[in-house]
Amino acid sequence: GAGVSQSPSNKVTEKGKDVELRCDPISGHTALYWYRQSLGQGLEFLIYFQGNSAPDKSGLPSDRFSAERTGGSVSTLTIQRTQQEDSAVYLCASTPTVQTEAFFGQGTRLTVV
Amino acid sequence: AQSVTQLDSQVPVFEEAPVELRCNYSSSVSVYLFWYVQYPNQGLQLLLKYLSGSTLVKGINGFEAEFNKSQTSFHLRKPSVHISDTAEYFCAVSGSGGSYIPTFGRGTSLIVHP
Repeated sequence: GAGVSQSPSNKVTEKGKDVELRCDPISGHTALYWYRQSLGQGLEFLIYFQGNSAPDKSGLPSDRFSAERTGGSVSTLTIQRTQQEDSAVYLCASTPTVQTEAFFGQGTRLTVV
Repeated sequence: AQSVTQLDSQVPVFEEAPVELRCNYSSSVSVYLFWYVQYPNQGLQLLLKYLSGSTLVKGINGFEAEFNKSQTSFHLRKPSVHISDTAEYFCAVSGSGGSYIPTFGRGTSLIVHP
Protein backbone atom coordinates (compact mmCIF):
# COMPACT_ATOMS: atom_id res chain seq x y z
CA GLY A 1 0.00 0.00 0.00
CA ALA A 2 0.93 3.65 -0.19
CA GLY A 3 1.32 4.12 3.53
CA VAL A 4 1.40 2.40 6.89
CA SER A 5 -1.95 0.85 7.62
CA GLN A 6 -3.25 0.05 11.11
CA SER A 7 -6.36 -1.83 12.11
CA PRO A 8 -8.73 -1.47 13.75
CA SER A 9 -8.82 2.32 13.90
CA ASN A 10 -10.86 2.16 17.10
CA LYS A 11 -11.26 -0.63 19.62
CA VAL A 12 -13.37 -0.67 22.76
CA THR A 13 -12.83 -3.66 24.98
CA GLU A 14 -13.80 -4.78 28.44
CA LYS A 15 -11.25 -4.93 31.20
CA GLY A 16 -9.62 -8.34 31.32
CA LYS A 17 -10.09 -9.18 27.63
CA ASP A 18 -7.24 -9.70 25.18
CA VAL A 19 -6.81 -7.46 22.13
CA GLU A 20 -4.77 -7.65 18.94
CA LEU A 21 -3.66 -4.59 17.02
CA ARG A 22 -2.36 -4.94 13.50
CA CYS A 23 0.17 -2.95 11.51
CA ASP A 24 0.88 -3.23 7.78
CA PRO A 25 4.11 -1.30 7.08
CA ILE A 26 5.13 0.22 3.78
CA SER A 27 6.33 -2.52 1.46
CA GLY A 28 10.09 -3.00 1.66
CA HIS A 29 10.53 -1.18 4.97
CA THR A 30 12.73 -3.33 7.16
CA ALA A 31 12.40 -1.45 10.44
CA LEU A 32 9.09 -1.28 12.32
CA TYR A 33 8.29 0.48 15.58
CA TRP A 34 5.34 0.47 17.98
CA TYR A 35 4.65 3.49 20.16
CA ARG A 36 1.93 4.34 22.68
CA GLN A 37 0.48 7.83 22.96
CA SER A 38 -1.53 8.66 26.05
CA LEU A 39 -3.51 11.86 26.49
CA GLY A 40 -1.18 14.81 26.99
CA GLN A 41 1.88 12.61 26.73
CA GLY A 42 4.48 12.19 24.06
CA LEU A 43 5.15 8.99 22.23
CA GLU A 44 6.26 6.15 24.46
CA PHE A 45 8.44 3.60 22.67
CA LEU A 46 7.25 0.01 23.01
CA ILE A 47 9.18 -2.26 20.64
CA TYR A 48 11.40 -2.21 17.54
CA PHE A 49 11.61 -4.84 14.81
CA GLN A 50 14.38 -5.26 12.26
CA GLY A 51 13.01 -7.79 9.83
CA ASN A 52 11.25 -10.41 11.91
CA SER A 53 13.44 -10.07 14.97
CA ALA A 54 12.97 -7.65 17.84
CA PRO A 55 16.37 -6.40 18.97
CA ASP A 56 14.77 -3.95 21.38
CA LYS A 57 11.60 -4.68 23.31
CA SER A 58 12.65 -2.68 26.33
CA GLY A 59 9.62 -0.40 26.15
CA LEU A 60 6.97 -3.07 26.65
CA PRO A 61 5.39 -2.02 29.96
CA SER A 62 4.58 -5.50 31.29
CA ASP A 63 4.50 -9.16 30.32
CA ARG A 64 0.88 -8.66 29.27
CA PHE A 65 2.26 -6.96 26.15
CA SER A 66 3.80 -8.92 23.30
CA ALA A 67 4.40 -8.38 19.60
CA GLU A 68 5.47 -10.34 16.59
CA ARG A 69 6.29 -9.67 13.00
CA THR A 70 6.02 -12.21 10.23
CA GLY A 71 7.46 -12.30 6.70
CA GLY A 72 9.30 -9.07 7.41
CA SER A 73 5.99 -7.33 6.95
CA VAL A 74 2.83 -7.39 9.08
CA SER A 75 3.16 -6.92 12.82
CA THR A 76 0.69 -7.68 15.58
CA LEU A 77 0.74 -6.13 19.04
CA THR A 78 -1.14 -8.22 21.60
CA ILE A 79 -2.30 -7.00 24.99
CA GLN A 80 -3.55 -9.69 27.33
CA ARG A 81 -5.91 -9.12 30.24
CA THR A 82 -6.36 -5.46 29.36
CA GLN A 83 -6.45 -2.85 32.11
CA GLN A 84 -7.90 0.65 32.06
CA GLU A 85 -4.42 2.16 32.06
CA ASP A 86 -3.83 0.47 28.69
CA SER A 87 -6.26 2.95 27.12
CA ALA A 88 -4.25 4.99 24.62
CA VAL A 89 -3.53 5.45 20.94
CA TYR A 90 -1.14 2.82 19.64
CA LEU A 91 0.96 4.03 16.73
CA CYS A 92 2.99 1.97 14.32
CA ALA A 93 5.78 3.34 12.14
CA SER A 94 8.15 1.90 9.56
CA THR A 95 11.36 3.02 7.87
CA PRO A 96 13.33 1.70 4.89
CA THR A 97 16.51 1.90 6.96
CA VAL A 98 17.09 2.99 10.54
CA GLN A 99 18.80 6.18 9.45
CA THR A 100 15.79 7.86 7.88
CA GLU A 101 12.53 9.31 9.12
CA ALA A 102 9.73 7.10 10.36
CA PHE A 103 6.46 6.84 8.45
CA PHE A 104 3.46 6.57 10.75
CA GLY A 105 0.10 4.91 10.50
CA GLN A 106 -3.11 6.58 11.68
CA GLY A 107 -3.04 4.69 14.95
CA THR A 108 -5.45 2.46 16.84
CA ARG A 109 -7.38 4.15 19.63
CA LEU A 110 -7.86 1.57 22.38
CA THR A 111 -10.41 2.18 25.11
CA VAL A 112 -10.67 -0.26 28.00
CA VAL A 113 -13.95 -0.01 29.90
CA ALA B 1 20.31 7.51 26.61
CA GLN B 2 19.02 10.13 24.25
CA SER B 3 16.21 12.43 25.29
CA VAL B 4 14.24 15.36 23.93
CA THR B 5 12.79 18.32 25.80
CA GLN B 6 10.09 20.47 24.31
CA LEU B 7 10.01 23.46 26.55
CA ASP B 8 6.46 24.62 25.83
CA SER B 9 3.44 22.35 26.16
CA GLN B 10 1.18 24.92 24.52
CA VAL B 11 1.86 27.94 22.31
CA PRO B 12 -1.04 30.28 21.48
CA VAL B 13 -0.48 32.72 18.64
CA PHE B 14 -2.53 34.96 16.37
CA GLU B 15 -2.88 34.24 12.69
CA GLU B 16 -0.12 35.74 10.51
CA ALA B 17 2.21 36.15 13.52
CA PRO B 18 5.60 34.41 13.63
CA VAL B 19 6.09 31.39 15.88
CA GLU B 20 8.96 29.42 17.35
CA LEU B 21 8.58 26.00 18.96
CA ARG B 22 11.55 25.03 21.07
CA CYS B 23 13.32 21.70 21.19
CA ASN B 24 16.45 20.66 23.04
CA TYR B 25 18.04 17.23 22.95
CA SER B 26 20.63 15.47 25.04
CA SER B 27 23.50 13.89 23.17
CA SER B 28 27.20 14.44 22.78
CA VAL B 29 27.46 12.69 19.44
CA SER B 30 26.06 13.24 16.00
CA VAL B 31 22.34 12.72 15.82
CA TYR B 32 19.48 12.90 13.41
CA LEU B 33 16.71 15.36 14.27
CA PHE B 34 13.12 15.52 13.14
CA TRP B 35 9.97 17.57 13.54
CA TYR B 36 6.61 15.91 13.04
CA VAL B 37 3.10 17.36 12.99
CA GLN B 38 -0.02 15.57 14.19
CA TYR B 39 -3.47 16.82 13.21
CA PRO B 40 -6.46 15.64 15.29
CA ASN B 41 -7.17 11.91 15.00
CA GLN B 42 -4.31 11.38 12.59
CA GLY B 43 -0.86 9.85 12.69
CA LEU B 44 2.37 11.82 12.61
CA GLN B 45 3.57 13.47 9.43
CA LEU B 46 7.16 14.56 8.84
CA LEU B 47 7.66 18.33 8.64
CA LEU B 48 11.44 18.38 8.21
CA LYS B 49 14.61 16.55 9.15
CA TYR B 50 18.27 17.20 9.81
CA LEU B 51 20.64 14.39 8.91
CA SER B 52 23.81 16.32 8.01
CA GLY B 53 24.99 19.35 6.05
CA SER B 54 23.41 22.78 6.26
CA THR B 55 22.19 23.62 9.73
CA LEU B 56 19.15 25.49 8.40
CA VAL B 57 16.56 23.00 7.25
CA LYS B 58 13.46 23.90 5.30
CA GLY B 59 10.35 21.74 5.44
CA ILE B 60 6.80 21.60 4.25
CA ASN B 61 4.12 24.23 4.85
CA GLY B 62 6.67 27.04 5.21
CA PHE B 63 8.34 25.67 8.34
CA GLU B 64 12.08 25.70 8.95
CA ALA B 65 14.40 24.67 11.77
CA GLU B 66 17.96 25.40 12.74
CA PHE B 67 20.32 22.81 14.15
CA ASN B 68 22.57 24.30 16.82
CA LYS B 69 25.12 21.76 17.99
CA SER B 70 26.65 23.93 20.72
CA GLN B 71 23.27 24.56 22.31
CA THR B 72 21.90 21.10 21.43
CA SER B 73 18.79 22.72 20.05
CA PHE B 74 16.59 22.27 17.01
CA HIS B 75 13.92 24.98 17.22
CA LEU B 76 11.10 25.09 14.70
CA ARG B 77 10.03 28.41 13.17
CA LYS B 78 7.45 29.82 10.81
CA PRO B 79 7.36 33.52 9.87
CA SER B 80 3.58 33.70 9.46
CA VAL B 81 1.15 31.08 10.75
CA HIS B 82 -2.28 30.11 9.46
CA ILE B 83 -5.32 28.75 11.25
CA SER B 84 -4.62 25.44 9.54
CA ASP B 85 -1.29 25.16 11.39
CA THR B 86 -3.18 24.43 14.60
CA ALA B 87 -1.90 20.98 15.57
CA GLU B 88 0.45 19.06 17.87
CA TYR B 89 4.14 19.27 17.00
CA PHE B 90 6.70 16.68 18.06
CA CYS B 91 10.47 16.92 18.03
CA ALA B 92 12.42 13.65 17.76
CA VAL B 93 16.04 12.51 17.88
CA SER B 94 17.73 9.31 16.80
CA GLY B 95 21.25 8.03 16.29
CA SER B 96 22.69 8.77 19.72
CA GLY B 97 24.84 6.01 21.14
CA GLY B 98 24.16 3.83 18.15
CA SER B 99 20.44 3.71 18.84
CA TYR B 100 18.37 4.62 15.84
CA ILE B 101 15.06 4.23 17.64
CA PRO B 102 13.45 7.67 17.44
CA THR B 103 12.91 9.30 20.82
CA PHE B 104 10.14 11.87 20.95
CA GLY B 105 9.46 14.92 23.07
CA ARG B 106 6.13 15.38 24.84
CA GLY B 107 4.83 17.61 22.08
CA THR B 108 3.82 21.26 21.75
CA SER B 109 0.25 22.20 21.00
CA LEU B 110 0.22 25.15 18.58
CA ILE B 111 -3.06 27.03 18.76
CA VAL B 112 -3.57 29.68 16.09
CA HIS B 113 -6.28 32.25 16.83
CA PRO B 114 -7.99 34.36 14.14
